[in-house]
Amino acid sequence: EAQVTQNPRYLITVTGKKLTVTCSQNMNHEYMSWYRQDPGLGLRQIYYSMNVEVTDKGDVPEGYKVSRKEKRNFPLILESPSPNQTSLYFCASVRQGGYEQFFGPGTRLTVL
Amino acid sequence: GENVEQHPSTLSVQEGDSAVIKCTYSDSASNYFPWYKQELGKRPQLIIDIRSNVGEKKDQRIAVTLNKTAKHFSLHITETQPEDSAVYFCAPRYGQNFVFGPGTRLSVLP
Repeated sequence: EAQVTQNPRYLITVTGKKLTVTCSQNMNHEYMSWYRQDPGLGLRQIYYSMNVEVTDKGDVPEGYKVSRKEKRNFPLILESPSPNQTSLYFCASVRQGGYEQFFGPGTRLTVL
Repeated sequence: GENVEQHPSTLSVQEGDSAVIKCTYSDSASNYFPWYKQELGKRPQLIIDIRSNVGEKKDQRIAVTLNKTAKHFSLHITETQPEDSAVYFCAPRYGQNFVFGPGTRLSVLP
């Protein structure tokens, strides 16, 4: 089944404790992206990647890192999480030349 | 950067009535105009989209109209049903970026 997966789905952590949220797609898509969703603000793009080893900042990249070592994986790294990064995070992918975004199920992160 | 607005922010309609949500954007280079539906606790799902060379597209009860000159596009839902209740987002694309609007909460009253 073609899909985008994220892990973990739920995470409660404390300020300053490094964490990684994984994202994987099995559709051989070139483009992958991370969003955060906060009430009343819609989804805001954090980082995106056009292909392996190619990443770029979105609208709200501060406090986040990403890597794209393999085509299928696009992990989101929070080196030192803070409470203002408490949010719902979505990963998405798009095939080259395509337009439709395929979203993962979301990761709800709480930073205490 | 791109500025995307949606109106209204909330919308309540009676079952069977029509609903219209408008999305305005600022970047004239935008070339792809999708609408997403998000139910509570779930991921956004594409329900209809339109490219910049087309003015209107329809899929059963759902349609999207685009006015590139005025930089807005609208979602039209006819014969609304309770299962249409959700939050709807527009997300015009410019270059490699998708910019989401703040969302419109649609409630369909039985």
